[in-house]
Amino acid sequence: QSALTQPASVSGSPGQSITISCSGSSSDIGGYNFVSWYQQHPGRAPKLMISDVDNRPSGISNRFSGSKSGNMASLTISGLQAEDEADYYCSSYTGGTTLVIFGGGTRLTVL
Amino acid sequence: QVQLVQSGAELKKPGSSVKVSCKASGGTFSSYSISWVRQAPGQGLEWMGGIIPIFATTNYAQKFQGRVTITADESKTTVYMELISLRSDDTAVYYCARGEEDMDVWGQGTTVTVS
Repeated sequence: QSALTQPASVSGSPGQSITISCSGSSSDIGGYNFVSWYQQHPGRAPKLMISDVDNRPSGISNRFSGSKSGNMASLTISGLQAEDEADYYCSSYTGGTTLVIFGGGTRLTVL
Repeated sequence: QVQLVQSGAELKKPGSSVKVSCKASGGTFSSYSISWVRQAPGQGLEWMGGIIPIFATTNYAQKFQGRVTITADESKTTVYMELISLRSDDTAVYYCARGEEDMDVWGQGTTVTVS
């Protein structure tokens, strides 16, 4: 099972919106509504930001939203803030031997 | 609120094995799955496998099958991950996390250095 494909980096200015894409296949993203997004600051454990494509766990700002179309998932962050600067990873359930696969990660820079 | 606390850093020689623990406190343990995810230096996240303690059922990523074993001790509310035949490219931070497709609680990470 290959990793999901994410852009290596994205950037935006405070207050702007950005979107991070996550490309997979019909065996993962396209086949299940189990796409999650994680935020990771340097030296810290990942933090779940979005589950089940578009569900925000309790305590996560509504500036974060998720969506999916076909084999592609997206994370949108609106009203960018300095503390949003971090690495973001998508993941998908696959139903195969390797149950979960991750994207390579996207570094978000807030200019 | 469930917390996951992992064992401390390890320095291992190539060819040896390592066993990392993940203790759950503050909530229901057995009914959730626990995953292990690793992150090599400067690299992304990689799911290794998981266990549902109440059923002792395990799933392992194809890449690690034959080298990783995940077990659980319900009496100690602790999950273990053992990796054998260590190589230098196993050097990484190893995390335990609650869940599989959506990992909502994470341990602090355990650095395993193979050298």
